[in-house]
Amino acid sequence: SQQGEEDPQALSIQEGENATMNCSYKTSINNLQWYRQNSGRGLVHLILIRSNEREKHSGRLRVTLDTSKKSSSLLITASRAADTASYFCATDKTGTASKLTFGTGTRLQVTL
Amino acid sequence: NAGVTQTPKFQVLKTGQSMTLQCAQDMNHNSMYWYRQDPGMGLRLIYYSASEGTTDKGEVPNGYNVSRLNKREFSLRLESAAPSQTSVYFCASRPGVASTYEQYFGPGTRLTVT
Repeated sequence: SQQGEEDPQALSIQEGENATMNCSYKTSINNLQWYRQNSGRGLVHLILIRSNEREKHSGRLRVTLDTSKKSSSLLITASRAADTASYFCATDKTGTASKLTFGTGTRLQVTL
Repeated sequence: NAGVTQTPKFQVLKTGQSMTLQCAQDMNHNSMYWYRQDPGMGLRLIYYSASEGTTDKGEVPNGYNVSRLNKREFSLRLESAAPSQTSVYFCASRPGVASTYEQYFGPGTRLTVT
């Protein structure tokens, strides 16, 4: 079964608005990563947050991690049409550092 | 640097045919991975190679075999294709197995089995 589940499955916003997507997972993790996938393309790494971190920023991205609730959120501020993509969280479980487990993704549509 | 490359980009097979998907990376990465992505779903790990000379099963290995040919190349073979293997296949690599490494993905191979 999938380790991560994103919520919502789909999100439609207007350019300039903020987009928030959430990820829940089931077991203890070493870290959590977020990836973006443009339509028909491979995934691109966005940001990594370690299990001992609570918040991390990178440009217009803000990621939070709550290990007690086994959840993470990705906030994209001042969205642009170019942010239209699917976003996936990926976790690696404690003790299994060799591989990541991906969630089902959130499809973000940013309209002009 | 080309990063991670995959061939072919598209392929149509008949049930029972075999084929090999090729993947190569030029970043001197130790670890390589094969995933499949079905519509509306995330990526599921098929096989991975933590380092040259080793391969291990992932979440959905049935019907597939892999070969880590050398440090650069990691191929995925379908011996007898089935319609259930219709999917988009992604290869990825990362420097090593440390959990802080990000993965780099190829552009994918879209496979249809009729």
